[in-house]
Amino acid sequence: QVQLQESGPGLVKPSETLSLTCTVSGGSISRYYWSWIRQPPGKGLEYIGYIYYSGTNYNPSLKSRVTVSLDTSKNQFSLRLTSVTAADTAVYYCARRWGIAVAGTEYYWFDPWGQGTLVTVSS
Amino acid sequence: DIQMTQSPSSLSASVGDRVTITCRASQTISSYLNWYQQKPGKAPKLLIYAASSLQSGVPSRFSGSGSGTDFTLTISSLQLEDFATYYCQQSYSTLWTFGQGTKVEI
Repeated sequence: QVQLQESGPGLVKPSETLSLTCTVSGGSISRYYWSWIRQPPGKGLEYIGYIYYSGTNYNPSLKSRVTVSLDTSKNQFSLRLTSVTAADTAVYYCARRWGIAVAGTEYYWFDPWGQGTLVTVSS
Repeated sequence: DIQMTQSPSSLSASVGDRVTITCRASQTISSYLNWYQQKPGKAPKLLIYAASSLQSGVPSRFSGSGSGTDFTLTISSLQLEDFATYYCQQSYSTLWTFGQGTKVEI
């Protein structure tokens, strides 16, 4: 089955760029929608954005700073978040957006998820 | 943005208890509602999709109901492994949003 694994630096300095990669195994990255979600320590979940073969969708609150990209040759997708501050400290998860059609209605959810990686923004 | 509000924020329960968690959307979302379980240090795990459909492999003691703006997650008989935080999430709008979470404690 499809499995996801995040990787990248655990510490980023304020005003710099956070870069993470999600490696997908057990399935082709070209076929699905791929997402990033984050969770500040002790807090709830926030959707960041997703990418599919022909486009992207971003949370408007982060849109000016976020880029999600695909590397089909490596079966990976990536997250770039610029001009980070302490408020960007969080566990970052990658996940597949999956769904089904029932009687002409399409339903979607996040599944599976990667294990998550903690990124701390600090000097 | 569609705001998702869960209640309660936390609850104390015992093994064998029936537990109900509520999620309310700030506008109608039909049945575009999912429930996840998260244990400490782990990624969320999908339990329920489309408001009431049980994800494959999830025990049948979990059930979901509701449509429109009001939704419920029920655990019919709480087991030790169910102590966790539960999140609802709407997929009605292009900006998917989560509830703030409900922590189920002993």
